[in-house]
Amino acid sequence: GESVGLHLPTLSVQEGDNSIINCAYSNSASDYFIWYKQESGKGPQFIIDIRSNMDKRQGQRVTVLLNKTVKHLSLQIAATQPGDSAVYFCAENTNSGYALNFGKGTSLLVTP
Amino acid sequence: AAGVIQSPRHLIKEKRETATLKCYPIPRHDTVYWYQQGPGQDPQFLISFYEKMQSDKGSIPDRFSAQQFSDYHSELNMSSLELGDSALYFCASSLGPGLEYTDTQYFGPGTRLTVL
Repeated sequence: GESVGLHLPTLSVQEGDNSIINCAYSNSASDYFIWYKQESGKGPQFIIDIRSNMDKRQGQRVTVLLNKTVKHLSLQIAATQPGDSAVYFCAENTNSGYALNFGKGTSLLVTP
Repeated sequence: AAGVIQSPRHLIKEKRETATLKCYPIPRHDTVYWYQQGPGQDPQFLISFYEKMQSDKGSIPDRFSAQQFSDYHSELNMSSLELGDSALYFCASSLGPGLEYTDTQYFGPGTRLTVL
């Protein structure tokens, strides 16, 4: 995807609150979606994924929702902790593809 | 669990020099991917290999080349380096595409390349 520079959208939440990070995608053919967490200077870390035949998937403290009608993906983090502070990226692919197309990252800042 | 290994972790080069980045995938993974990430930007796909053959190509400059070896490790060769090549370079690995689904890509810690 195209990048717009150094300023990432930022979401600031208090410790213990729930966080919701949103992502819009444009490729109607995409059928595999992943959320990655990236801490400063580190590689993207897999959080959770979802295939297009599902609209919701839950992990430990995280839930991913997929709305194919409006091409929207969200990541919900329950009881957000300081260790959740990072940049979160959604990425998409097709079931037969290789390249991940990353969306714009969202910086999550958890305050005590 | 074993993760993707990348070396070196940091590399400083002069303009017009060459650089080689190495990637060792998670054991049993046969597919490797290379991504470039500029400051504050999302990772951009460069190239991928499945079973030692190039499987997909993205926005990789002609000055760059890559290959996957018989032990599945991969190397990204970068020549005639430019200032704009300064970035984090990530390698990811996965099991190859199955009959139905692409498998999850797991990323390495990255190589930070600085071109002076």
